[in-house]
Amino acid sequence: AQTVTQSQPEMSVQEAETVTLSCTYDTSENNYYLFWYKQPPSRQMILVIRQEAYKQQNATENRFSVNFQKAAKSFSLKISDSQLGDTAMYFCAFILNDMRFGAGTRLTVKP
Amino acid sequence: GAGVSQSPRYKVAKRGQDVALRCDPISGHVSLFWYQQALGQGPEFLTYFQNEAQLDKSGLPSDRFFAERPEGSVSTLKIQRTQQEDSAVYLCASSLVASGGPDGETQYFGPGTRLLVL
Repeated sequence: AQTVTQSQPEMSVQEAETVTLSCTYDTSENNYYLFWYKQPPSRQMILVIRQEAYKQQNATENRFSVNFQKAAKSFSLKISDSQLGDTAMYFCAFILNDMRFGAGTRLTVKP
Repeated sequence: GAGVSQSPRYKVAKRGQDVALRCDPISGHVSLFWYQQALGQGPEFLTYFQNEAQLDKSGLPSDRFFAERPEGSVSTLKIQRTQQEDSAVYLCASSLVASGGPDGETQYFGPGTRLLVL
């Protein structure tokens, strides 16, 4: 069975600084997809970034980047130049046949 | 709009009442997913449709939960004889294709329906 673990229930960062959210997963499969979703207080789940497991290059989307370590089954999210609007719950997710989510990390960006 | 929509946004039900939650996926999206999200938790998979076919319902917590997508677009999640433990946010998501393709696996979520069972 696939499991996703986010070991940081809460994190905070000063505006304009960098923060890294960690995620590990467990699977015996070789080809799969990984995602980071953001869920602001409005509860609309928004895709932040995705990574295909067969790609060695780490995905990047503007201020968001991932550190994908396939052998270690690690998929961390780095947010650079943090903004107040980044305050939200962040969920790491894994998809093979269905999507499994971690328990989430509540990120607060402080002014 | 172009996104996934869900209705109602909020539903209060008395214990024992039946409820129906609606999801309108993005037009043209083949796959549709339902999730249950308890307060402070990540979403938990309930069921998955590919067009009108329900390919996976392994996450449905009991036989009181039933989902359908008869014409391969709009989907309804029905909960019969609601219980207090059914209180949660129910999220719907859709994706373009079943699998494969550069963007096939990305799921786009609706705003959710918050269900409170009293």
